[in-house]
Amino acid sequence: KQEVTQIPAALSVPEGENLVLNCSFTDSAIYNLQWFRQDPGKGLTSLLLIQSSQREQTSGRLNASLDKSSGRSTLYIAASQPGDSATYLCAVSPNSGGYQKVTFGTGTKLQVIP
Amino acid sequence: DTAVSQTPKYLVTQMGNDKSIKCEQNLGHDTMYWYKQDSKKFLKIMFSYNNKELIINETVPNRFSPKSPDKAHLNLHINSLELGDSAVYFCASLGDRNEQYFGPGTRLTVT
Repeated sequence: KQEVTQIPAALSVPEGENLVLNCSFTDSAIYNLQWFRQDPGKGLTSLLLIQSSQREQTSGRLNASLDKSSGRSTLYIAASQPGDSATYLCAVSPNSGGYQKVTFGTGTKLQVIP
Repeated sequence: DTAVSQTPKYLVTQMGNDKSIKCEQNLGHDTMYWYKQDSKKFLKIMFSYNNKELIINETVPNRFSPKSPDKAHLNLHINSLELGDSAVYFCASLGDRNEQYFGPGTRLTVT
């Protein structure tokens, strides 16, 4: 059974700092990994999607890496801003198509202090 | 345009009642999901439909009955609501690159 862990559970950083969020998964047989952010009382917004054949994906100040063999992914946020404050979730899919059962991590709650 | 929408956004009801949550996506996706997010913010899959056909049922109590009238809609009906059903319910659809698109959620409170 796939288990996804995110450490730390909460993180508080001053504005402008670079930071790394971690995601670990127990079964390396994944199809892809997706990072989301969730704002309080809101739905999930997809940030980055990494296919299992890829090592990293970048979008603006965000960079996500994937090391499938070691069961780890990191989300790097450069020059953090107060607007980055949210809960960040990673999710892994074991296969492609509609039959995939996505397993979500427990989330990291990020607070960027102005 | 909202990609994945849910109604209602908030739902407060008493134990024993029956309620429905509706979901619609205008992305043309074939696959849709229902997730439950508990008080600890843990997200867990409940159901998945592909082209109106149920393909994933994660041992959810049979008080929960999903229905997909067409591939753009996936509704969730809950009978005999219990206190433990209080949670946020998210609908999602699956894109061509196997990325998930989420709705805004429905916060269900059972009193």
